[in-house]
Amino acid sequence: DAGVIQSPRHEVTEMGQEVTLRCKLISGHNSLFWYRQTMMRGLELLIYFNNNVPIDDSGMPEDRFSAKMPNASFSTLKIQPSEPRDSAVYFCASTTRGGDTYGYTFGSGTRLTVV
Amino acid sequence: SQQGEEDPQALSIQEGENATMNCSYKTSINNLQWYRQNSGRGLVHLILIRSNEREKHSGRLRVTLDTSKKSSSLLITASRAADTASYFCAETKGGAQKLVFGQGTRLTINP
Repeated sequence: DAGVIQSPRHEVTEMGQEVTLRCKLISGHNSLFWYRQTMMRGLELLIYFNNNVPIDDSGMPEDRFSAKMPNASFSTLKIQPSEPRDSAVYFCASTTRGGDTYGYTFGSGTRLTVV
Repeated sequence: SQQGEEDPQALSIQEGENATMNCSYKTSINNLQWYRQNSGRGLVHLILIRSNEREKHSGRLRVTLDTSKKSSSLLITASRAADTASYFCAETKGGAQKLVFGQGTRLTINP
C-alpha cells in the first residue's frame, strides 16, 4: 500500500497562473478530504467527497478554487487564478466510509508558493 | 469555529519524561482523534477514542476523554527524541465525517 500520493511536492508559480494539485487515494478508500495548512490559520478543511460526490465545500475560500474527483481513486484541486495569499501546504486525506473507526490517512502535502 | 483547542501550544521536556497534551472542544462529538505531524510532513493518525469511551492505550500513548468537561488528553510516556513533532486533536460530530483540527501542540524532546 503506497499510501495517499500527492503531486507535486512543491510548486512555485506566479500570481495569476493556474495551479493544479493532484491526489491519489488509497485503494478501497471512498472518502477524500482536501485541507490547507498555514501558520496563521492552521489546518482548514476545504472540501470533502464521499464516493466521488462533493459533500461539503463550505471551506473552499472562493470561486477561484475548484475540486473534482473524476474517478474513485483520483482527485484534483485547482486554483485559477492563483494569488500570493494562496501560499500554503495543501494536504489530501482519504478514509473508508467508516472513517470514524479507522482514522484518516494523509498524503505528504504540496507546498504551494505563489509569488 | 468549533474546532478543538490544544493546550499547551508548545511543550519542551527532557527525554525519558512523560508529555501530556490537552484538547478541549465545544460541542458533542462522535469521536476524537489524535494526530502527529513531523516537520515538513503529513499528519499521521495516532489514536481514535469514541464518545462512549473514557481511555485508550496504544504502546506508549494513552488517551483519555472526559465528555462532561469536553476535554481529552494525550499522554506520551518515556518520551524519545523521535517524539518531537506537533500533535493535533481533531473531532467529528453529528453525521458529518469531516475532521476539524485544533491548532496543535508543538512538542520538543531534548536529549
